[in-house]
Amino acid sequence: NAGVTQTPKFQVLKTGQSMTLQCAQDMNHNSMYWYRQDPGMGLRLIYYSASEGTTDKGEVPNGYNVSRLNKREFSLRLESAAPSQTSVYFCASSVQGEQPQHFGDGTRLSIL
Amino acid sequence: QQPVQSPQAVILREGEDAVINCSSSKALYSVHWYRQKHGEAPVFLMILLKGGEQKGHEKISASFNEKKQQSSLYLTASQLSYSGTYFCGTEFSGGYNKLIFGAGTRLAVHP
Repeated sequence: NAGVTQTPKFQVLKTGQSMTLQCAQDMNHNSMYWYRQDPGMGLRLIYYSASEGTTDKGEVPNGYNVSRLNKREFSLRLESAAPSQTSVYFCASSVQGEQPQHFGDGTRLSIL
Repeated sequence: QQPVQSPQAVILREGEDAVINCSSSKALYSVHWYRQKHGEAPVFLMILLKGGEQKGHEKISASFNEKKQQSSLYLTASQLSYSGTYFCGTEFSGGYNKLIFGAGTRLAVHP
């Protein structure tokens, strides 16, 4: 099915470990986003990529890095995981100039 | 700058109506509405632009009141499938800007 695919779906890390969350879309969208969702907080933008080759910080970028590998793929890296980064992470995509319209199923990340 | 959604939660019986509000203290350019079912990804419902018309999606419609800097989502003759959390995302000025999301309104529709 066409859409946004995130891997992994679940992950448990220890404090200080690193990992990369993967996201790929097959809708030929230019723009891609990473959000985190915490209880009672709604969605908060971590980073976004308006088009291939560009990335920009969102509301809560500290502790994260991103790579727009090509038009399809946008990865999120936690270099040294902290318990405060326990959250559900969503990747999204859209036509360039539009706000996110298609979301992946999320990655549930727990950091102990 | 986070928009305020009200109410925080709503319980309905099938067929009843509901209104969810999204208010901002800052001038709005656009409001985006999403619905998220438990454990699933958010689903885009509609966008309201400043000066734009009221939009509709099946029996769900929305309006944008520029004087109040508020958008309202209207759910008419609710169905069980309407259950979930509704989020508004607000954009504050023209051009491309990041959406700021409200905390959500939980809606439960019972038979």
